[in-house]
Amino acid sequence: EVQLVESGGDLVEPGGSLRLSCAASGFTFINAWMSWVRQAPGKGPEWIGRIAGTTDGGAVDYAAPVKGRFIISRDDSKNTWHLQMNSLTTEDTAFYYCTTFSYTSGWSWGQGTLVTVSS
Amino acid sequence: EIVLTQSPGTLSLSPGERATVSCRASQSVRSNHLAWYQQAPGQAPRLLIYSISTRASGIADRFSGSGSGTDFTLTISRLEPEDFGVYYCQQYGTVPYTFGQGTKLEIK
Repeated sequence: EVQLVESGGDLVEPGGSLRLSCAASGFTFINAWMSWVRQAPGKGPEWIGRIAGTTDGGAVDYAAPVKGRFIISRDDSKNTWHLQMNSLTTEDTAFYYCTTFSYTSGWSWGQGTLVTVSS
Repeated sequence: EIVLTQSPGTLSLSPGERATVSCRASQSVRSNHLAWYQQAPGQAPRLLIYSISTRASGIADRFSGSGSGTDFTLTISRLEPEDFGVYYCQQYGTVPYTFGQGTKLEIK
């Protein structure tokens, strides 16, 4: 069974940085592609970026609102993905979810971690 | 960027009725990569359908998905009380992946 567990959410001041992690189990991690999705309070989900499986080259794509500020990475030795968030603004306040897709079971989501950007 | 437009914005129905939610894409969705989610208050979105019409594990057969190209539909054949909430479509065939704005299904 696919399990995704996010951690690292916190209250941070505008202009600050935060690093989220997503621990994965239940599948072959090195092959897996992963996307980060966020959802601001009262809003719909928003895709913010993805990282390819290491066996597919590990390329990364970002959504326009976070490009140049956020960095997605992976640690295959720990079955963990990371989201480094820099230059945070109040617009980045949201629940952040890691998600992964399988052709046999579709999209799996973690439970989410809350990031609050406020002074 | 592919824009997904859902209709209606709000659907007011009674248990036992049939619900139909539409999702229209601004350009063709590649490789049938279209999913539907249900979200209850305070919870993460729950996957219902992927690849346009494949039900996720544990999803009741009253949920079905259909469509192709730019027009997609989620149908709930007979509403149960636990089906009320917000529904989203998502395309994951083209980066950036995008979501519809949501359809709120409320009890009439």
